[in-house]
Amino acid sequence: QSVLTQPPSVSAAPGQKVTISCSGSSSNIGNNYVSWYQQLPGTAPKLLIYENNKRPSGIPDRFSGSKSGTSATLGITGLQTGDEADYYCGTWDSSLSALFGGGTKLTVL
Amino acid sequence: QVQLVESGGGLVKPGGSLRLSCAASGFTFSDYYMSWIRQAPGKGLEWVSYISSSSSYTNYADSVKGRFTISRDNAKNSLYLQMNSLRAEDTAVYYCARAGDLRYFDLWGRGTLVTVSS
Repeated sequence: QSVLTQPPSVSAAPGQKVTISCSGSSSNIGNNYVSWYQQLPGTAPKLLIYENNKRPSGIPDRFSGSKSGTSATLGITGLQTGDEADYYCGTWDSSLSALFGGGTKLTVL
Repeated sequence: QVQLVESGGGLVKPGGSLRLSCAASGFTFSDYYMSWIRQAPGKGLEWVSYISSSSSYTNYADSVKGRFTISRDNAKNSLYLQMNSLRAEDTAVYYCARAGDLRYFDLWGRGTLVTVSS
């Protein structure tokens, strides 16, 4: 069981907006940056958001991140069928070990 | 181009050993922390280990501490993971990843599958 809690699944229609939550504690999210990763079926994870709300080059602004206290949220607007994937949040703990959430499967109906 | 390519996976019996390699190209390998992250079949991501740019600092997940050893050769732009005393629960795809300032993983390889089974 992951230290970071994500909903197992979310779904929305094409063109709609969806949010994915990631809940932790003061020993991890509360005192560290959060990152988000997208894993398309059969592929390796890809960095979507880093340092809570920054997008790497090439990631469209439909993807956004935020953090408040011990929780973080990934937002995706203008949903496309190509966004169907597993999404993971990540952070670090006080012993400088990396942590990942259990993952959220996004279905675009 | 900028990429990471893992190799060395395969089928091994419980209690056996395996050494994974990761070849880096397209960036200054010696500038970055590097990490191994695994994913059991149908499961989520699990961080395994990381090593500092100069190999002076390493860290391991409790699940592999004492059994796995991470190392690197900056002259060969390569990262390694020596896995000993393997268990069925170590079965996973192992990804090599570049750790950006120990804050995020900004470059991933395609992974190599390790299967531990008799």
